[in-house]
Amino acid sequence: EAQVTQNPRYLITVTGKKLTVTCSQNMNHEYMSWYRQDPGLGLRQIYYSMNVEATDKGDVPEGYKVSRKEKRNFPLILESPSPNQTSLYFCASSPRGLWRGDPSYNEQFFGPGTRLTVL
Amino acid sequence: AQTVTQSQPEMSVQEAETVTLSCTYDTSENNYYLFWYKQPPSRQMILVIRQEAYKQQNATENRFSVNFQKAAKSFSLKISDSQLGDTAMYFCAFMNPNAGNMLTFGGGTRLMVKP
Repeated sequence: EAQVTQNPRYLITVTGKKLTVTCSQNMNHEYMSWYRQDPGLGLRQIYYSMNVEATDKGDVPEGYKVSRKEKRNFPLILESPSPNQTSLYFCASSPRGLWRGDPSYNEQFFGPGTRLTVL
Repeated sequence: AQTVTQSQPEMSVQEAETVTLSCTYDTSENNYYLFWYKQPPSRQMILVIRQEAYKQQNATENRFSVNFQKAAKSFSLKISDSQLGDTAMYFCAFMNPNAGNMLTFGGGTRLMVKP
């Protein structure tokens, strides 16, 4: 089954304790992205990756790191989590990052979400 | 930068009736895409409908249709024959294809369908 998976689905941690949220897709997609969802703000992009070894900042990158060493994986790293990073996190992927004239190439498929609480 | 505004934080509708969710956006781009996503209690993000800005015809998907007013920068979602399974959070989103795949989301509208 074609899908985007995230682990863990729920995580409660304490301030300053490094954590990693994994994201994996089995669709051979070039583009991957992380969003955070907060009440009243919708989803905001944290980081994205156009392809392997190509990552860039989104709208709210502060306090986060990412890496893209393999095409299928795009982990989100919080080196020193703080309570303001308590949020619902979504990973997404799409076949292409660059515009190819057909919107289906850029349609994003979302993972199930990770609920993170930082105490 | 683009902004997307959903002015109705919460709405409710009786089962089998029709409801319209509002969305406005601000952009200087001429070519872009607009989306409505549904997020049920499971939290999964589900694409409901997509509209290409260069198309004058409004998109429809079964009971879901949009009213796209490009000049007014308005993109409302109409749900006909509402069903209990339509209860969810709905997000309007904008994408500029010339700026990569980033989706800019509105704050969401929580829709409750009442039996």
